[in-house]
Amino acid sequence: GAGVSQSPSNKVTEKGKDVELRCDPISGHTALYWYRQSLGQGLEFLIYFQGNSAPDKSGLPSDRFSAERTGGSVSTLTIQRTQQEDSAVYLCASSTHGSSNQPQHFGDGTRLSIL
Amino acid sequence: GENVEQHPSTLSVQEGDSAVIKCTYSDSASNYFPWYKQELGKRPQLIIDIRSNVGEKKDQRIAVTLNKTAKHFSLHITETQPEDSAVYFCAEGTNAGKSTFGDGTTLTVKP
Repeated sequence: GAGVSQSPSNKVTEKGKDVELRCDPISGHTALYWYRQSLGQGLEFLIYFQGNSAPDKSGLPSDRFSAERTGGSVSTLTIQRTQQEDSAVYLCASSTHGSSNQPQHFGDGTRLSIL
Repeated sequence: GENVEQHPSTLSVQEGDSAVIKCTYSDSASNYFPWYKQELGKRPQLIIDIRSNVGEKKDQRIAVTLNKTAKHFSLHITETQPEDSAVYFCAEGTNAGKSTFGDGTTLTVKP
């Protein structure tokens, strides 16, 4: 079946612009996670959704970052007034339900470059 | 909050040798311990996982062991091959909330 789909795969934009990243999880997966991965680094947790609600937003780096999920499916991560330090790969993952004792299925990520 | 420490950060072995990566965790409620492999430029993918009711699990050349008393778990790869070269991440999960990932181990298998 279809895996986790992320778009765009690559995004280059100028500093100060807003960007929107999209994640389409595996059908039926109720939990959705966003991570950020800088070059050669680990997975930095950003936010987690259970259905449409976000029980844990503790990883969002600043108020320029926001995310939403509608219909218990597609999620968008929005970064406003982008800065060069926002450049990274943004990974989305989904799992069957909201407890963290299930495997996470990752998308291919969006590579974001801020000029 | 929860903490997962992963060691070593880099590991280089000769083809055919074994590789061991160890993680320690702090949350007594942790009951799920997956390992993910991330090849260069690719997505992380689950390779093996273990739950707290067992001490060891094997899948061909890879195995994971869990010591709940000491709060650590390890990934063992035997008869390593060049295609095992990747970054490996451990993680822990509970009955609620988010997983916590280790910082990753870059494994290089030299032909």
